[in-house]
Amino acid sequence: GAVVSQHPSRVICKSGTSVKIECRSLDFQATTMFWYRQFPKKSLMLMATSNEGSKATYEQGVEKDKFLINHASLTLSTLTVTSAHPEDSSFYICSAEPGVSSYNEQFFGPGTRLTVL
Amino acid sequence: KNQVEQSPQSLIILEGKNCTLQCNYTVSPFSNLRWYKQDTGRGPVSLTIMTFSENTKSNGRYTATLDADTKQSSLHITASQLSDSASYICVVSLPAAGNKLTFGGGTRVLVKP
Repeated sequence: GAVVSQHPSRVICKSGTSVKIECRSLDFQATTMFWYRQFPKKSLMLMATSNEGSKATYEQGVEKDKFLINHASLTLSTLTVTSAHPEDSSFYICSAEPGVSSYNEQFFGPGTRLTVL
Repeated sequence: KNQVEQSPQSLIILEGKNCTLQCNYTVSPFSNLRWYKQDTGRGPVSLTIMTFSENTKSNGRYTATLDADTKQSSLHITASQLSDSASYICVVSLPAAGNKLTFGGGTRVLVKP
């Protein structure tokens, strides 16, 4: 149980285009989902926290107009990288938190490798 | 200065040997301390989660310990296997920050045959 999927697993796009990444909790309902970014050999950096049906809360320094987050249902959150540039190339990981976990445990997706040419 | 420091940054061990990874944290109070395993190009997978009142927790060949007095945690890997090659990340959950996770820099473990 507690499986989180991401789609696509990797994407290559041209500079200036937009890319949407989906995060799904497959066997539980996620009251909260998180989006992280990870650079090579670095640890995960929280970008934003999203709760179903409400606006996402972005971390300091993360452009909300650049990284659009939608959490339309209890099993799906999407991250759209708008007008992507090469510096947006990174590994994006989502996580989902079931509302009933006593540890506030987060279950991570497998990640999406974004390469912007 | 990072609130969660891990050591060593990397290590190489021979298959079948044991190893111990260290995590020192300065954040307090915290809800729980977690160890994750992250394979290259994959998302983190939870190994153990401990509240501040727990001293040890095991998951197969992985055993985590927690000393809340010294603010140290360790992850012991017993009888290492080639599949243990990965990054191991120590993470602290902060109730004061809405249970956001604070990540250590990770320890990259390479198990050689």
